[in-house]
Amino acid sequence: EAGVTQSPTHLIKTRGQQATLRCSPISGHTSVYWYQQALGLGLQFLLWYDEGEERNRGNFPPRFSGRQFPNYSSELNVNALELEDSALYLCASSFAGLAGGLDEQFFGPGTRLTVL
Amino acid sequence: AQKVTQAQTEISVVEKEDVTLDCVYETRDTTYYLFWYKQPPSGELVFLIRRNSFDEQNEISGRYSWNFQKSTSSFNFTITASQVVDSAVYFCALLPGSARQLTFGSGTQLTVLP
Repeated sequence: EAGVTQSPTHLIKTRGQQATLRCSPISGHTSVYWYQQALGLGLQFLLWYDEGEERNRGNFPPRFSGRQFPNYSSELNVNALELEDSALYLCASSFAGLAGGLDEQFFGPGTRLTVL
Repeated sequence: AQKVTQAQTEISVVEKEDVTLDCVYETRDTTYYLFWYKQPPSGELVFLIRRNSFDEQNEISGRYSWNFQKSTSSFNFTITASQVVDSAVYFCALLPGSARQLTFGSGTQLTVLP
C-alpha cells in the first residue's frame, strides 16, 4: 500500500512569490493535515482538512491556505512568501475523520521550501 | 492548552548501550493519545507507537519499550542495545480528544556511535 506522497520534494522561491505544495493521502484516509518544521521552531500544526472542508488551523497568518479535493488529496498554498517561510512542510493523513476516533497520523516525506 | 516537553536536546551513546528518551506532557483533556515518531535524516516522520490515555500498560516491541505513567504525565521511550541505525531525531507528540492537531515536543537528537 502506498504511503502519503508529497510533491515537489524541493521548491525554491523568492520573496513575494506564491508556493503550492501537494499531498496525496493513504488510500482510504479522509483527513489530511499540514505541519511546518522550521529551523528552531520545531513541528507546528498548520491546517486540518476532512471531507473537503477546513476543520482547524494553527496559529498562522491567512496567507497560508489550502484545500482538499474530492479524491482527498490536498494542496497547501503560501502567498506573499517571506524568508521565514523556509521550512520542511509535512503532510499527514489519517483514517478517522470527524466522526471517528483518534487515529495515528502517517506522514509523507515532506516538501522543503526555500525562500530566497 | 497542550504542551509536550522533551528536555533532552541531544543524546550520544555507544552502540549496544541502552538509552531512554524522556517525554512529559500537559493537557486538560481526559481523552488523548500519545505518540512517538522517528525522523531520520531524510526528513520523513516514521510512526513508532500510539498509546491512549486509558491504557497505561507498558509496551515492548523488539528493542523498543515505552513507559506511560499518567501520575507523572510522562511517556518515556527506551531503546535497548542501541544500534547505529537508531540515530535520528525522536519526537514525542500529543493528540488531545478536543482537537485533531498533534502537539510535538522539540525532539531529541539521538546519535549512536559505532
